[in-house]
Amino acid sequence: DTGVSQDPRHKITKRGQNVTFRCDPISEHNRLYWYRQTLGQGPEFLTYFQNEAQLEKSRLLSDRFSAERPKGSFSTLEIQRTEQGDSAMYLCASSHGQGGSPLHFGNGTRLTVT
Amino acid sequence: GESVGLHLPTLSVQEGDNSIINCAYSNSASDYFIWYKQESGKGPQFIIDIRSNMDKRQGQRVTVLLNKTVKHLSLQIAATQPGDSAVYFCADTGANSKLTFGKGITLSVRP
Repeated sequence: DTGVSQDPRHKITKRGQNVTFRCDPISEHNRLYWYRQTLGQGPEFLTYFQNEAQLEKSRLLSDRFSAERPKGSFSTLEIQRTEQGDSAMYLCASSHGQGGSPLHFGNGTRLTVT
Repeated sequence: GESVGLHLPTLSVQEGDNSIINCAYSNSASDYFIWYKQESGKGPQFIIDIRSNMDKRQGQRVTVLLNKTVKHLSLQIAATQPGDSAVYFCADTGANSKLTFGKGITLSVRP
């Protein structure tokens, strides 16, 4: 399968714990995006990378959130001191990065904070 | 088929009929538009895209229409099938390819 891969698919954690998600984009794609989606809503942009450089972060990305893409390939999204409001689907997408190229999404990581 | 705006969350159509899903966008600087389909438990799946220099684009059983004057986008699905049942999102983007999604419409296909 050469699509976007996310791990884990599901994560249940207790409030206050740290969690880390991984995304492996389509190999030839140089842009990688993180989105968050809550039930009944469209995905909301969190951040994106051009190769290893993080170029933009949403106001939704509080200081408890950090994303990295150290070698310009896979990316990790860490949430520290999780809160119940962090419960959501975290989606990763990648694209060629050229103007007008579609984002291809993974199947997400479903986070539940108890 | 029936047409609805993003203000109505559900569209129900008879199998075999045509479906029309409408979307209004707000950013007049948007130059690229995409329709996604999302099934339960999965990420959004690319259906079709269109650039702002076009007003119509056709794919297999799907057509996207763009009216930049009124900032309106529509997705037409011909001969709707049960497998088309899903939530559909329109999304638009500017220069940095950051997509902004609408809230989505649930398409339900009646057998």
